[in-house]
Amino acid sequence: AQSVTQPDIHITVSEGASLELRCNYSYGATPYLFWYVQSPGQGLQLLLKYFSGDTLVQGIKGFEAEFKRSQSSFNLRKPSVHWSDAAEYFCAVGAGGTSYGKLTFGQGTILTVHP
Amino acid sequence: EPEVTQTPSHQVTQMGQEVILRCVPISNHLYFYWYRQILGQKVEFLVSFYNNEISEKSEIFDDQFSVERPDGSNFTLKIRSTKLEDSAMYFCASSLGTTGLEQYFGPGTRLTVT
Repeated sequence: AQSVTQPDIHITVSEGASLELRCNYSYGATPYLFWYVQSPGQGLQLLLKYFSGDTLVQGIKGFEAEFKRSQSSFNLRKPSVHWSDAAEYFCAVGAGGTSYGKLTFGQGTILTVHP
Repeated sequence: EPEVTQTPSHQVTQMGQEVILRCVPISNHLYFYWYRQILGQKVEFLVSFYNNEISEKSEIFDDQFSVERPDGSNFTLKIRSTKLEDSAMYFCASSLGTTGLEQYFGPGTRLTVT
């Protein structure tokens, strides 16, 4: 069965600092990987996705993520955080084939940005 | 930009009552999903729906739950007899691709069962 671990429940950074949110997954085949962001009162917004090909993927709002098969990781990065990035971030793994796109989510990481 | 919408944003109901949560997926999407998030826990998959039938469901999605696409635009989740443990945020999602991935989520309905 697929699973996702986000080791950091809460991260605090200063505005302008770099950010890395960790995500480790478990899946038997090539995974489909996603990062979503949720601001208070909002739904889950897709930041970026990895299906295949280039292991460094670019997303919206200046985020990027790198797929590392050897480490079963898909960490999210941003070189310079803005106060508006404060939100909760979810990593998810999706199954293809007959699973019709069921997503399995990590616990989420809450990002606080200090001015 | 097209988006998934959900109504109501907050529903309070008494234990044992039936509730229907409503979603309007993105209009040209073909795959529809419900997820839930109990406070402080992970977002959990409930059910996927394609071509007017359930494609997959989780163990959570027991006989008390049902889904329906009553017309060309709405997608509903019904809980027949709510329990306290059904209190959660319920998210609807939809996707276009043939593999059903890249899902777009609605803002959620917070269900409180008292």
